[in-house]
Amino acid sequence: QVQLVQSEAEVKKPGASVRVSCKASGYTFSSYGITWVRQAPGQGLEWMGWISAYNGNTNYAQKLQGRVTMTTDTSTSTAYMELRSLRSDDTAVYYCARGMAAAGMADSWGQGTLVTVSS
Amino acid sequence: QSVLTQPPSASGTPGQRVTISCSGSSSNIGSNTVNWYQQLPGTAPKLLIYSNNQRPSGVPDRFSGSKSGTSASLAISGLQSEDEADYYCAAWDDSLNGVLFGGGTKLTVL
Repeated sequence: QVQLVQSEAEVKKPGASVRVSCKASGYTFSSYGITWVRQAPGQGLEWMGWISAYNGNTNYAQKLQGRVTMTTDTSTSTAYMELRSLRSDDTAVYYCARGMAAAGMADSWGQGTLVTVSS
Repeated sequence: QSVLTQPPSASGTPGQRVTISCSGSSSNIGSNTVNWYQQLPGTAPKLLIYSNNQRPSGVPDRFSGSKSGTSASLAISGLQSEDEADYYCAAWDDSLNGVLFGGGTKLTVL
């Protein structure tokens, strides 16, 4: 079965960077993309972007352009999301999810990674 | 503030039918398909409806979706206590060149 396993929770200081990993199994990794979504405490879902695991093409949310980088490693079926210049309002649970296209559905989700930004 | 507008809350009693609306515009719902996600307390979201009205394997047929113009709806019939969750609509937005989520609707089963 499709499974996405994310890295453990992180605590970062303002201005630092964080990298969250998402290891996929149970399907052909390069045939899909990975969508990243975050959820601030008590808030709704926010789409961060999408990366194709086939060719590395990316589509980032406008508000995160310049601060976020998404990559994939097909040799390990792992996707990564790096967010830089962290602020307190970046505190959230970050989810990866399998998605065929940037505009498409996210049909299998990771368990989430809590990133806390605090001085 | 989300450009896809959902009611913040909805409620119903077991066995009832409830609907949750999602209102958008011509650049999102009006020109792209709508997906719905269910998020049970303390868990990751789960795909509930895709392409406006399609159910992934394993989703009960009590859940149905529809779209008309720039609005979409999620209907849940035969409401059960385990349906108590947050529900989000989502659609691609051609102006933003990204996915928009609705603000979410918290469904309470009374």
